[in-house]
Amino acid sequence: AAGVIQSPRHLIKEKRETATLKCYPIPRHDTVYWYQQGPGQDPQFLISFYEKMQSDKGSIPDRFSAQQFSDYHSELNMSSLELGDSALYFCASNRNLGGLVTDTQYFGPGTRLTVL
Amino acid sequence: LAKTTQPISMDSYEGQEVNITCSHNNIATNDYITWYQQFPSQGPRFIIQGYKTKVTNEVASLFIPADRKSSTLSLPRVSLSDTAVYYCLVGFNTDKLIFGTGTRLQVFP
Repeated sequence: AAGVIQSPRHLIKEKRETATLKCYPIPRHDTVYWYQQGPGQDPQFLISFYEKMQSDKGSIPDRFSAQQFSDYHSELNMSSLELGDSALYFCASNRNLGGLVTDTQYFGPGTRLTVL
Repeated sequence: LAKTTQPISMDSYEGQEVNITCSHNNIATNDYITWYQQFPSQGPRFIIQGYKTKVTNEVASLFIPADRKSSTLSLPRVSLSDTAVYYCLVGFNTDKLIFGTGTRLQVFP
């Protein structure tokens, strides 16, 4: 079965540079979520989109922005990168049946961002 | 969202049954209990979800007592490949997942 696709899988950037992470949800999934997981940390919710509109927002820095496109893929744009942004970034998707926890989320393999 | 408390780590041997208990004293009436598994450098993976009593699937069982203030994830006959972090999440009227500190399970041969 098709899974969530994330690209790139690895990314190395310098401080103050920008980065764009991409997420392609499972076909027919209309909701995308972004999570950040720092080294030795638990995943933290950043932001989510439903039908191309932002549906919820978590601890996402102002330097980050995201959007969902008409084909439901999503991009996380990160500017003025800091050393502390080094982390695994996961995208998850589901088909929104009410915005409830019972709508199981399926996670992608993640993008490992390293900021030097 | 209800706060959850799990053991930081657990050790087991191959072939044993592992039970991981999660405390959620302030669980709300509508809240569901969901467990995710995460292997190193991989995205979390849904294991099981329940509301009350017992739920079983091909991977695990979830036991929820009548007061629902705790739940126990049961993994039968674990193997080395079950070594992972297991997260207990509680919620309902939200689709964002709030991960607490999970339980790091180490399975030894």
